[in-house]
Amino acid sequence: EPEVTQTPSHQVTQMGQEVILRCVPISNHLYFYWYRQILGQKVEFLVSFYNNEISEKSEIFDDQFSVERPDGSNFTLKIRSTKLEDSAMYFCASTHLQGEETQYFGPGTRLLVL
Amino acid sequence: AQSVTQPDIHITVSEGASLELRCNYSYGATPYLFWYVQSPGQGLQLLLKYFSGDTLVQGIKGFEAEFKRSQSSFNLRKPSVHWSDAAEYFCAVGSYTNAGKSTFGDGTTLTVKP
Repeated sequence: EPEVTQTPSHQVTQMGQEVILRCVPISNHLYFYWYRQILGQKVEFLVSFYNNEISEKSEIFDDQFSVERPDGSNFTLKIRSTKLEDSAMYFCASTHLQGEETQYFGPGTRLLVL
Repeated sequence: AQSVTQPDIHITVSEGASLELRCNYSYGATPYLFWYVQSPGQGLQLLLKYFSGDTLVQGIKGFEAEFKRSQSSFNLRKPSVHWSDAAEYFCAVGSYTNAGKSTFGDGTTLTVKP
């Protein structure tokens, strides 16, 4: 069964450093999402992406964040200058069609900012 | 705006007992509803989903959920809990609009007593 993959599984970085989290969505999917889950808290929507542009973003997704689909397979989340409060699990998800009932989630990247 | 409420932060049940986890949603149209399970440090596993049709949906691991439009609820049930069911459970609502994003509840932690 096709699945969403994410790399790395864990990343430790120093405050102020840039990080890039990578996701490979399911190959025929067109809509892509990033979610964040701070330890012990709920999963929060960050951004959705379609046709090479952001469809919607939450208030969490400020100017420090950016997303890109640099090629036909990867979908990346960049945090330009990490802060301690960016420490969280980041999940990528994808769907084939907007409004399709199921989003397929990747296993997540656990980011720790020191 | 769509929202999800999981009234129970923590539930403890004895192994073999029945389980019901509550979920209430707010959404202007017919929602897509999901239940996910998350073990510590792990990703999100989809248990079941509802988007139309029969209001009682069956999922994996013996779980079921019932959509009740009049109560704006989508409660998760299992007739006999196993120790391996101990985990965090998240209810989520998705939508055709809003770029298809999912909104998650705060989660319910399930503890299973021997």
